[in-house]
Amino acid sequence: DQQVKQNSPSLSVQEGRISILNCDYTNSMFDYFLWYKKYPAEGPTFLISISSIKDKNEDGRFTVFLNKSAKHLSLHIVPSQPGDSAVYFCAASETGTYKYIFGTGTRLKVLA
Amino acid sequence: DTGVSQNPRHKITKRGQNVTFRCDPISEHNRLYWYRQTLGQGPEFLTYFQNEAQLEKSRLLSDRFSAERPKGSFSTLEIQRTEQGDSAMYLCAGQAGGIYEQYFGPGTRLTVT
Repeated sequence: DQQVKQNSPSLSVQEGRISILNCDYTNSMFDYFLWYKKYPAEGPTFLISISSIKDKNEDGRFTVFLNKSAKHLSLHIVPSQPGDSAVYFCAASETGTYKYIFGTGTRLKVLA
Repeated sequence: DTGVSQNPRHKITKRGQNVTFRCDPISEHNRLYWYRQTLGQGPEFLTYFQNEAQLEKSRLLSDRFSAERPKGSFSTLEIQRTEQGDSAMYLCAGQAGGIYEQYFGPGTRLTVT
């Protein structure tokens, strides 16, 4: 049972344009969400987080949007840069459990 | 750099052998997590520690797996009688008290031949 889903395995975007990565979850008890970026042969790097009490969080070029009623979150990267090419994972946690459930990832390729 | 280190970075072993991995978080990380990642999947939770206490273990963690965090600092993950299905990237993450974000080390890639 995949509680966190990233239905797009890959995405290609032109440099300078917006990248939108999507994530859906099924467990309504999830209340904290993280996005990670992962390069090959490295561990995931934390990007940005959002709590369920917010619907948006912004950090530089990265913005995460949360739609609780749809159980959907998205990561926007503007403008996209070639160095953003990586696999992006969303992860969700329920208060008190401390562990995160990860999606299967979306491979982003930013074309120069 | 998250400050979380893992050793070794790569391990190749023959089926049936025992292996041990080490994770060193930073001192602020009172919680320490182990995850496993296979190709095409996201990290899967294995177990976590709060200080030296192991508080939760996934059903993925068979009795061939054992983890310790003896003094609440570094942690080890041991796999006994390795099987080919154990081949994966083993990731360690640290988390400081009062925050939700987890910071990962570079991982140990295990190949069982």
